[in-house]
Amino acid sequence: GAGVSQSPSNKVTEKGKDVELRCDPISGHTALYWYRQRLGQGLEFLIYFQGNSAPDKSGLPSDRFSAERTGESVSTLTIQRTQQEDSAVYLCASSLHRKGADYNSPLHFGNGTRLTVT
Amino acid sequence: AQKVTQAQTEISVVEKEDVTLDCVYETRDTTYYLFWYKQPPSGELVFLIRRNSFDEQNEISGRYSWNFQKSTSSFNFTITASQVVDSAVYFCALLSGGYQKVTFGTGTKLQVIP
Repeated sequence: GAGVSQSPSNKVTEKGKDVELRCDPISGHTALYWYRQRLGQGLEFLIYFQGNSAPDKSGLPSDRFSAERTGESVSTLTIQRTQQEDSAVYLCASSLHRKGADYNSPLHFGNGTRLTVT
Repeated sequence: AQKVTQAQTEISVVEKEDVTLDCVYETRDTTYYLFWYKQPPSGELVFLIRRNSFDEQNEISGRYSWNFQKSTSSFNFTITASQVVDSAVYFCALLSGGYQKVTFGTGTKLQVIP
């Protein structure tokens, strides 16, 4: 099973609760992305990790959102005090990006976590 | 900054018709990569093609073909003799050499009617 794995696949939570979403990238992939996709919409960039570099957090919509990644392995996306507008599918993707070398590997996506905030 | 524009929000065609999905990109880098992804109703994103900025050769894969034109900053995708299974949302994406972040267009929803 060498694909990107996300858990849970579905999460229903009450408004105001915190949630944590997990992503297991493909082994050896240096780059990891989180995207949000609202129903019928495109992919909204949230955050990008590349190796040991500082993450690009420019897409996080508010300070209720945070993400961590340990080395080049698992990442968790945390949403605090969830709001109904946070309802969406959260997609994780990984790829092999090495500056100056194999720079063009495509993203491999997980199946996403469908978050519903009631 | 980098940007990808997919001006067509939704397209409907009758089965066996040809259809072209447009993608226009913006980047200041000379080294960049372009991608197309397919998202069928089941939701998973499927990689279709990758093209680097130094290779302007058009590519054909079965019923799929891609037309990369640097002069117009476009990377259009044509499906020949469309089939119902082609119904999906198609995303164009850009990775610039200096930017190191993949940017997606807003997607084009293709509906192939039997």
